[in-house]
Order: sequence, then structure tokens, then C-alpha cells
Amino acid sequence: DVKVTQSSRYLVKRTGEKVFLECVQDMDHENMFWYRQDPGLGLRLIYFSYDVKMKEKGDIPEGYSVSREKKERFSLILESASTNQTSMYLCASSPPFAQGEDGYTFGSGTRLTVV
Amino acid sequence: ELKVEQNPLFLSMQEGKNYTIYCNYSTTSDRLYWYRQDPGKSLESLFVLLSNGAVKQEGRLMASLDTKARLSTLHITAAVHDLSATYFCAVAFSGTYKYIFGTGTRLKVLA
Repeated sequence: DVKVTQSSRYLVKRTGEKVFLECVQDMDHENMFWYRQDPGLGLRLIYFSYDVKMKEKGDIPEGYSVSREKKERFSLILESASTNQTSMYLCASSPPFAQGEDGYTFGSGTRLTVV
Repeated sequence: ELKVEQNPLFLSMQEGKNYTIYCNYSTTSDRLYWYRQDPGKSLESLFVLLSNGAVKQEGRLMASLDTKARLSTLHITAAVHDLSATYFCAVAFSGTYKYIFGTGTRLKVLA
């Protein structure tokens, strides 16, 4: 019954490593999003994609990139991990904007620690 | 500026009491969502509100929307411990793909 799957629940990486966070959805949604969630700061949008190979920067894209080669998969890449990227990362997907009542469906989250 | 403000940030209440969480937003919106998040877990959709005066209810939770005031409320009736969680509102602003989330209200219901 899982609809949005994030590949890892917990991840520990070293400073300077290149980190890949994977997200796969099985709902045929056009839109996919990456957020990070930090205490006191709520959810902040990193990047989103409204179609294959299309991407747009969110509010805090610095230090991140994304890849969407297939409709169902949206990857977040930390080019050179830093300790200030320690956070909970949430992937979400949604149908095209203004279609029906469906909002975001979230994945279970990846708690990333950079040491 | 697209802005969503939620209050209170923290709410500690006794079982059986009623309370309301408020979500204010800055400009015209197409729709508003309420989500629940349990500790260490992801966000779960509760309600979507699409038009002025919309009201949705599920169990002890009732959400409403006043688009003229740019205000949504989440009312908790006769709270029980199982409602302890963080509640977020999210606003889809007209002409954008993305939602802006409120900062969340951390609710703790004391037995």
C-alpha cells in the first residue's frame, strides 16, 4: 500500500561525501518535491519537479541538486555534504496542480546525519 | 510575499477540553490542507478545503476555511491523548505548483 517510498529511513554520511536520496512514487503523479524539516523552521522546499527532466528551485536549493529521469523517481543530491545539512528530508508527490482534491502524498522521510 | 502563519506553536491541553489552531495566510489561495505528523514519522493528510465556508470533520477534528479573512481553523473537540501530534496547515497559492507550510502546532494532550 506504500505510495511514496524513500530509500533510507536513517543515513549517516561524512562531511564532503556526495549523497543521494532516492524517492519513488507509484501513483503516476506529475509533481514531485523535496523538503527538509528542521525544528523551529518547519518544512522548507528545496527543489520540485513538474515533469520528467524538469526541475525548479525551491526556497533553499544551495548545496543541493536533483534529478528526474523517469516520472516515478526523483533524486536529491548533496554534492558535498556538510554538517548543516543534517536534517529530516521529506519527499512528496502530487497530481497536476488544481486537479481534484489530492494534495501531497509524503514519503516516510530520511533522517540524514552528516558527521 | 507568500506567507503562512500558524498559532499557537505549542499547545498543551487536558483531555476532554476543546481548542482551536489558527492558520493565517498572506494572499489569494486556491486550496488549503491540514496535515498531521507523529514524532519521527512523515506527514499524513487530514483535510483539504477548497472554497470559502468549507467545513470538513473527521472524528474530534473539524477544519474550516474563510477565504475573505484568509484564515483556516482546526478545532479539536473533547481532546484525547491519541490526538497528540504536530499539525501543519499548507496553502496552495494561486498559480503556483508548490505549497507553503505553516510552522506547525505541536499539540500535547495530557491524560
